[in-house]
Amino acid sequence: EAGVAQSPRYKIIEKRQSVAFWCNPISGHATLYWYQQILGQGPKLLIQFQNNGVVDDSQLPKDRFSAERLKGVDSTLKIQPAKLEDSAVYLCASSLGAAGGAYNEQFFGPGTRLTVL
Amino acid sequence: GQNIDQPTEMTATEGAIVQINCTYQTSGFNGLFWYQQHAGEAPTFLSYNVLDGLEEKGRFSSFLSRSKGYSYLLLKELQMKDSASYLCAVRDLGSGNTPLVFGKGTRLSVIA
Repeated sequence: EAGVAQSPRYKIIEKRQSVAFWCNPISGHATLYWYQQILGQGPKLLIQFQNNGVVDDSQLPKDRFSAERLKGVDSTLKIQPAKLEDSAVYLCASSLGAAGGAYNEQFFGPGTRLTVL
Repeated sequence: GQNIDQPTEMTATEGAIVQINCTYQTSGFNGLFWYQQHAGEAPTFLSYNVLDGLEEKGRFSSFLSRSKGYSYLLLKELQMKDSASYLCAVRDLGSGNTPLVFGKGTRLSVIA
């Protein structure tokens, strides 16, 4: 079974530039998550999708971050404009959703390491 | 609010046993997860506890006490490849779809 795919793996941009990340979840997984992981810290949820709808975006800095999952499969996360403090690894994860029951394990992609100069 | 605490770093010797503790304070509780994350890689699932007690899976075991807001991950017969960060994550009340809240992770170094 193919895992969660993400691209690019690495990205270096200057502050005030824009950047986009792509995620393709495991086939059949209804729920998709974007996390931000700053060096030395645990992942922090940015946004959660259930199919093509947003479930939780309370920690997404909406003045500069946006995300979509138009067809309920793959997703893009965009930052515009980027700030120095956005340097982090952006992890995408997916899970079965309601079909996964209380356990509902999340599977993570390899992440995109963003460096903002 | 939500708060999850775990030690920042630990060092242990190859072949030994190490226990990584995690304490949590959340408004609700619907399960605790442990993930392993090697440097530069994605977190991978290790264990899940929702009831009090010990869950054993090979060399790894995880314990939960809900009344104390406490869990630990026990790694036996340590191997060099166990050098990684170990993330404790709690699911707040709600369904299995409720997002996880992660601790900062414990970086474990296994030395010869």
